[in-house]
Amino acid sequence: DAGITQSPRHKVTETGTPVTLRCHQTENHRYMYWYRQDPGHGLRLIHYSYGVKDTDKGEVSDGYSVSRSKTEDFLLTLESATSSQTSVYFCAITRRGDGYTFGSGTRLTVV
Amino acid sequence: ELKVEQNPLFLSMQEGKNYTIYCNYSTTSDRLYWYRQDPGKSLESLFVLLSNGAVKQEGRLMASLDTKARLSTLHITAAVHDLSATYFCAVAPLAAYGGSQGNLIFGKGTKLSVKP
Repeated sequence: DAGITQSPRHKVTETGTPVTLRCHQTENHRYMYWYRQDPGHGLRLIHYSYGVKDTDKGEVSDGYSVSRSKTEDFLLTLESATSSQTSVYFCAITRRGDGYTFGSGTRLTVV
Repeated sequence: ELKVEQNPLFLSMQEGKNYTIYCNYSTTSDRLYWYRQDPGKSLESLFVLLSNGAVKQEGRLMASLDTKARLSTLHITAAVHDLSATYFCAVAPLAAYGGSQGNLIFGKGTKLSVKP
């Protein structure tokens, strides 16, 4: 979507390896979020950020870490990928909650 | 526990028919969102409902919000095949009720299939 990009779009990785997903925005929004989407679960919040270096855990944060060193970038790291982390990951941004814009998603497969 | 429940989860409709998707939530919130997702795609914002009694319409879709009943509805009028998609509602709980920094809690989605 305009103003927010995720990379990579697809990734296959091996169990036990670290993986970093990137979310980049050009909207200068304060709030950024990482969600994962799995069949039968909808979207579940992993971590979120409310400013540079300000982050907090969401509902399903175990096994994930995040960093935000610049307003425009929010990184999600799987410290040691497991098969249960095979999912589609979405990044979202909002200025103040009136509207949320989602990225195109990253499809991650852990083999 | 904060919950958002949608029903039905699967809906098969004939073109031209009307139907309603329901979204119930367990917390106090004054903001509710509806999204559409096509297979393999991202989420597209449909409606943002910001107050009790809010009603918004776009084409064949109309959404409403009743914060006292903690219920939102998405009504489909005279369905067409192009409406086939998965529809999600999402709630932003107020801070005093478990919300934080505008986090959204999503329902599991309603997969809509419109057949000729």
